[in-house]
Amino acid sequence: KNEVEQSPQNLTAQEGEFITINCSYSVGISALHWLQQHPGGGIVSLFMLSSGKKKHGRLIATINIQEKHSSLHITASHPRDSAVYICAVKDNQFYFGTGTSLTVIP
Amino acid sequence: EAGVAQSPRYKIIEKRQSVAFWCNPISGHATLYWYQQILGQGPKLLIQFQNNGVVDDSQLPKDRFSAERLKGVDSTLKIQPAKLEDSAVYLCASSLELGQSYGYTFGSGTRLTVV
Repeated sequence: KNEVEQSPQNLTAQEGEFITINCSYSVGISALHWLQQHPGGGIVSLFMLSSGKKKHGRLIATINIQEKHSSLHITASHPRDSAVYICAVKDNQFYFGTGTSLTVIP
Repeated sequence: EAGVAQSPRYKIIEKRQSVAFWCNPISGHATLYWYQQILGQGPKLLIQFQNNGVVDDSQLPKDRFSAERLKGVDSTLKIQPAKLEDSAVYLCASSLELGQSYGYTFGSGTRLTVV
């Protein structure tokens, strides 16, 4: 049983497309994180959310606490957005999704 | 602010050998985590420290893995003896407090290949 489920697992998009990655979780949480992992690189924390919506540049993250669901949106996608995006939720420990591998084609 | 430092970046060993990884968290971060990330999977928590005490090591294979955080700062993770299935990236992360919604920071990881 996975406490955190992400969809889709893999996603290929054309440059400029609007992208949505979804995350559903089953545990009670104090915060939800969206992380970005480039091939061979470390993990970068994009957002930490406990309610509502956050925006940073072309990235938007939303969370619905009642439905235990979060989405990460990328507007005007670019090849440099190609990475694995991981959803993680936290109560006393972190639970991670398996990630969504995004490839943006020029 | 300096990030979470890990070393080495890469390590290749033969099965049954021993290996150790080192992590230096962000200054002042009380909570330190070690994760194992096998290719194609999300990270799996191995052990969580609060200062120099262990909070959760339920997923640590204690017959071969050990970790310590002396003085509540740096931490080392050891595998002895290594198996082929231990090939993975070992990530260290730190955060200010346990059970709080503070952000946390990952190191760049140590990629271990066991041959």
